[in-house]
Amino acid sequence: AQTVTQSQPEMSVQEAETVTLSCTYDTSESDYYLFWYKQPPSRQMILVIRQEAYKQQNATENRFSVNFQKAAKSFSLKISDSQLGDAAMYFCAYRSARGANSKLTFGKGITLSVRP
Amino acid sequence: NAGVTQTPKFRILKIGQSMTLQCTQDMNHNYMYWYRQDPGMGLKLIYYSVGAGITDKGEVPNGYNVSRSTTEDFPLRLELAAPSQTSVYFCASSRTGGTGELFFGEGSRLTVL
Repeated sequence: AQTVTQSQPEMSVQEAETVTLSCTYDTSESDYYLFWYKQPPSRQMILVIRQEAYKQQNATENRFSVNFQKAAKSFSLKISDSQLGDAAMYFCAYRSARGANSKLTFGKGITLSVRP
Repeated sequence: NAGVTQTPKFRILKIGQSMTLQCTQDMNHNYMYWYRQDPGMGLKLIYYSVGAGITDKGEVPNGYNVSRSTTEDFPLRLELAAPSQTSVYFCASSRTGGTGELFFGEGSRLTVL
């Protein structure tokens, strides 16, 4: 079974600075997808960024980028120019590309606070 | 732009009561999911469905039941509520498996006393 580990329960960053959130995963598969979801205090889960394992290029979405190390099974999220609205809980998630009924497996999440 | 709609948003139950969390999506997605979120534990999959009439268990199905009679609706039934079912419940849907992004409802906070 696949597992997703987020070992840091909390992190803090100064506004306008850069922060990196760590995530590791365990799988025996070669084809899969990785996601970072954001959950603000409103509880709504919002997709931040997605990475296909077969792509070597790291995904980027504006101020958000990932460092995907397939051999090391590492998938970290970098937030540049942090803003107060980035304060939230962030979840790393894994999804197999095999099978029609693949499920999303989440890590425990990390709470990010942004200092003004 | 309704997306995934869950009701109710909040509910307090007594031990032994039953209730149904409603979930409906208007995106014509085949895949639907129910997760529960406990503090410090991330999201755990309860049940999922890959299409009308097809459901399967996730990681933590005990104490719950689901049905999927239409593409749009995926209700979660709690029978004989227990304090261990106090949690926030999320319904989600996706168009496909694999690459498909999951779209989440706003969550339902359930307290069992």
